[in-house]
Amino acid sequence: KAGVTQTPRYLIKTRGQQVTLSCSPISGHRSVSWYQQTPGQGLQFLFEYFSETQRNKGNFPGRFSGRQFSNSRSEMNVSTLELGDSALYLCASSLDPQGSSGNTIYFGEGSWLTVV
Amino acid sequence: GQQLNQSPQSMFIQEGEDVSMNCTSSSIFNTWLWYKQEPGEGPVLLIALYKAGELTSNGRLTAQFGITRKDSFLNISASIPSDVGIYFCAGLHANTGKLIFGQGTTLQVKP
Repeated sequence: KAGVTQTPRYLIKTRGQQVTLSCSPISGHRSVSWYQQTPGQGLQFLFEYFSETQRNKGNFPGRFSGRQFSNSRSEMNVSTLELGDSALYLCASSLDPQGSSGNTIYFGEGSWLTVV
Repeated sequence: GQQLNQSPQSMFIQEGEDVSMNCTSSSIFNTWLWYKQEPGEGPVLLIALYKAGELTSNGRLTAQFGITRKDSFLNISASIPSDVGIYFCAGLHANTGKLIFGQGTTLQVKP
């Protein structure tokens, strides 16, 4: 079955703009989580959605938001982009909510965002 | 942000050597996951561990879930050049349910 699919793979935006990234989880998976990866900070948790509800949120400003649709596909949005938002944004999917016992989490290939 | 303590930070070894890396924390985890990430790609799951004391193998890779639930290790035997990459541990925090990542171990293998 298809893995976690993220689009777009690469994009360049200008400071002040906004961006929307998309993630399609593995078929049947209802949990989608988003992470930001940068060389200096490593992998940082943004938020998790399960059955269209945000279950958990990391320590990111309100400019970072997300949502999940009824087919479990998820989008994340970053408004008023800053240079420091340049990063690899990773989406992960799992069958059950992230904290569930026995759960396994799979990542997509990521979306590379460069803010200039 | 909150992270696991993963060591070593980097390793440069000869092909054929065995490799060992570990992650420790003061917190308790319900699940340990080990991933490998290659340049420009997302992390790929290598091994998942669900019970304290669990020892699981995947080919030349072996990982264990520490008895205290606060640590895990990954061993790679007889390394080959394609083992090159960054290896991450990740633990599902028992209290918050969040997936917490180690800082990564960069592995380079000399043919």
